[in-house]
Amino acid sequence: GAGVSQSPRYKVAKRGQDVALRCDPISGHVSLFWYQQALGQGPEFLTYFQNEAQLDKSGLPSDRFFAERPEGSVSTLKIQRTQQEDSAVYLCASSLAGDSYGYTFGSGTRLTVV
Amino acid sequence: EDQVTQSPEALRLQEGESSSLNCSYTVSGLRGLFWYRQDPGKGPEFLFTLYSAGEEKEKERLKATLTKKESFLHITAPKPEDSATYLCAVRRGNAGNMLTFGGGTRLMVKP
Repeated sequence: GAGVSQSPRYKVAKRGQDVALRCDPISGHVSLFWYQQALGQGPEFLTYFQNEAQLDKSGLPSDRFFAERPEGSVSTLKIQRTQQEDSAVYLCASSLAGDSYGYTFGSGTRLTVV
Repeated sequence: EDQVTQSPEALRLQEGESSSLNCSYTVSGLRGLFWYRQDPGKGPEFLFTLYSAGEEKEKERLKATLTKKESFLHITAPKPEDSATYLCAVRRGNAGNMLTFGGGTRLMVKP
């Protein structure tokens, strides 16, 4: 597709429920990133893939967060046993390797944990 | 640790009233300073990348400049459609392609 696609756009989860957020990057983009954006704040880095390899997961806030990109294209961010503090917008971005034009972001998934 | 601080947090302008947004940064080995625009309910949209002090880039009513410690986003004669949150981010030389973002400046331009 023309842009980065994320689904679902909105997700309401009960505390303790597991959720899975999907990202379809731009075709051919090698790099894929997940960011978390709290209301009124800038995005914060979660994790980074180059093709199928997860090269950096230093931003994942706890072991309840897990990301994968098994075939080097679509990625899934999974959050187990969601808690209220997980409520945020989860943004996915992709780029060509060595791209100087910045990343292309999706519109995000707004997760609300009740 | 990389730090990016944006000011002001919010800015209200009248249409046509030029101003500047500030992004102060601390990073070891800067490998790019990025400006993005974010509209409500959407992801950030890329505007500019600057790499070295003294560099400037322009796009319509926006001009971004870079020094060794800060970047400015100058908005000339803004229009209501320029209303958005403007985000600044830095990429460090030995941090892969990860970006560290500031908190953003929410710009409102009134007609």
